Amino acid sequence: EPEVTQTPSHQVTQMGQEVILRCVPISNHLYFYWYRQILGQKVEFLVSFYNNEISEKSEIFDDQFSVERPDGSNFTLKIRSTKLEDSAMYFCASSEQRGGYTFGSGTRLTVV
Amino acid sequence: GIQVEQSPPDLILQEGANSTLRCNFSDSVNNLQWFHQNPWGQLINLFYIPSGTKQNGRLSATTVATERYSLLYISSSQTTDSGVYFCAGAFYGGATNKLIFGTGTLLAVQP
Repeated sequence: EPEVTQTPSHQVTQMGQEVILRCVPISNHLYFYWYRQILGQKVEFLVSFYNNEISEKSEIFDDQFSVERPDGSNFTLKIRSTKLEDSAMYFCASSEQRGGYTFGSGTRLTVV
Repeated sequence: GIQVEQSPPDLILQEGANSTLRCNFSDSVNNLQWFHQNPWGQLINLFYIPSGTKQNGRLSATTVATERYSLLYISSSQTTDSGVYFCAGAFYGGATNKLIFGTGTLLAVQP
């Protein structure tokens, strides 16, 4: 069964540093997403990406965040100047136009 | 936007017991999924079920789209079933098709 691959699985970073979280969506999917889950809370939508541009973003997704599809396979989330409250599990997902979403295994980000 | 509510918030079962988890959504959806979050934090897709009934081993799910709810049944529960169960819904065709998650049901199965 096709998978969404995320790297790294864990990342520890110093406050103020920039991090890039990487994802390889399912190859024939057209829609890509990033979600965030703070420990003990529900999974929150950050951003959706379609046709090489952001189609929707949440209030959480401010100027600190950016997404990119640098080539035909990777989808990245960049967090600039990380803060303690950015510590969370970050999930990448992809979907066809209609149908279920497939989520990756997540990147656990810890900001110290 | 769509609101997704889950009940109960917490559930403790003895191994071998059956349970039903409920998901209510505030508006029409044409995507409804159930996930199990394991102790390592991974979201495991259980069912894609915008309508009807599906079964996979000891798990089954039913969505009644016209009444805006979905149920997840766990039979003969095992300790490995422990974790958080999320339902999530989306509506295609509007300005967005983002999946909205409920707050989850925390299930603990005791031996």
